[in-house]
Amino acid sequence: DTGVSQDPRHKITKRGQNVTFRCDPISEHNRLYWYRQTLGQGPEFLTYFQNEAQLEKSRLLSDRFSAERPKGSFSTLEIQRTEQGDSAMYLCASSLGGGAGNEQFFGPGTRLTVL
Amino acid sequence: GDSVTQMEGPVTLSEEAFLTINCTYTATGYPSLFWYVQYPGEGLQLLLKATKADDKGSNKGFEATYRKETTSFHLEKGSVQVSDSAVYFCALSDPLTGANSKLTFGKGITLSVRP
Repeated sequence: DTGVSQDPRHKITKRGQNVTFRCDPISEHNRLYWYRQTLGQGPEFLTYFQNEAQLEKSRLLSDRFSAERPKGSFSTLEIQRTEQGDSAMYLCASSLGGGAGNEQFFGPGTRLTVL
Repeated sequence: GDSVTQMEGPVTLSEEAFLTINCTYTATGYPSLFWYVQYPGEGLQLLLKATKADDKGSNKGFEATYRKETTSFHLEKGSVQVSDSAVYFCALSDPLTGANSKLTFGKGITLSVRP
């Protein structure tokens, strides 16, 4: 299966620590998205890449958050100085091409718990 | 800004019952509309979509019609099965809010089907 993969699946950390998550999209997909999902809510858009260029960041993405997609393939999302409010499921999705009707394929997510 | 409103849940039905899950939206432009489903322990996956007014999306016995006049995209199934138990998310992608095709999700609704 060559779907979207994310690593790790679960991360428990103490407040103030830095964490990094990885996403591997479907290989031919040029677009990659990060979303955050808290309990009882739908996913919320964080940021988006087309190839290696980060083209949009949500206001949800504070300056403690940084995302990269250095070679236009996998992406990393780093959270510095984690806070309890960062506890959530972090979802990665990828798509081929643009257009509002294009399907995004989601990974299983990384569940972050900040103690 | 864009938003998606789903009916409150959870919903519990007996097998073979008729299902309707309401979804209404607010968007700047003419969005594409989606239903995503999350089965227990799995990632989000696209169930169906519609990209213009009066289009009907369908898959696995589920249907939804894009109603521009009522800004709605209600999900229906004539006879649910236990295997349909999952969380259902309505979402939109609005081309006028950017070419990135980011998805705006509703809160989701949990469906449980009893044998």
